[in-house]
Amino acid sequence: NAGVMQNPRHLVRRRGQEARLRCSPMKGHSHVYWYRQLPEEGLKFMVYLQKENIIDESGMPKERFSAEFPKEGPSILRIQQVVRGDSAAYFCASSPRGETEAFFGQGTRLTVV
Amino acid sequence: GESVGLHLPTLSVQEGDNSIINCAYSNSASDYFIWYKQESGKGPQFIIDIRSNMDKRQGQRVTVLLNKTVKHLSLQIAATQPGDSAVYFCAEAGSNYKLTFGKGTLLTVNP
Repeated sequence: NAGVMQNPRHLVRRRGQEARLRCSPMKGHSHVYWYRQLPEEGLKFMVYLQKENIIDESGMPKERFSAEFPKEGPSILRIQQVVRGDSAAYFCASSPRGETEAFFGQGTRLTVV
Repeated sequence: GESVGLHLPTLSVQEGDNSIINCAYSNSASDYFIWYKQESGKGPQFIIDIRSNMDKRQGQRVTVLLNKTVKHLSLQIAATQPGDSAVYFCAEAGSNYKLTFGKGTLLTVNP
């Protein structure tokens, strides 16, 4: 059973470009969480999704950020018109249901130049 | 603001010693806490968890203690090994298992 898969592992974007981060949850998991981690800091919750639904997006910036988890395919975190402050590690976690331990992927490290 | 924080940002121990990493939380309504280990360039890895109806839980070489009176959580690692070197985070699980993480403690194990 493969773990949570995130790609790409590293992503470099110029200011103003779009970043698309992908997360394939563990098999059988229908709950996905996205977190952001700045250097030497803890992870900060961004959004919680179930298949085709956003359950909690209280940690998402109001502009430029969006997330989806379609019926088929991976969850996508999309950042439009990236700025240098978006540079961070973005982690995805999945769980079979929303009240159990979530397993984390290896993260995508976004660098905005 | 942060609801979970750590007392010590770094901890250096000798191989074979016991390590204790501390964490304070502010939400007295929280009922589930988790410790994660994060190695450089990797995602957080679950170590051990504890619910608020317990004050102690043991795993393999690790023990978590919960003091609800002072809202304090600690992780004890017995016979610390070089492979234990990592950043350790405590996290508080809210509704929908949404996690609030502390800033982390860097544990360095000297051979």
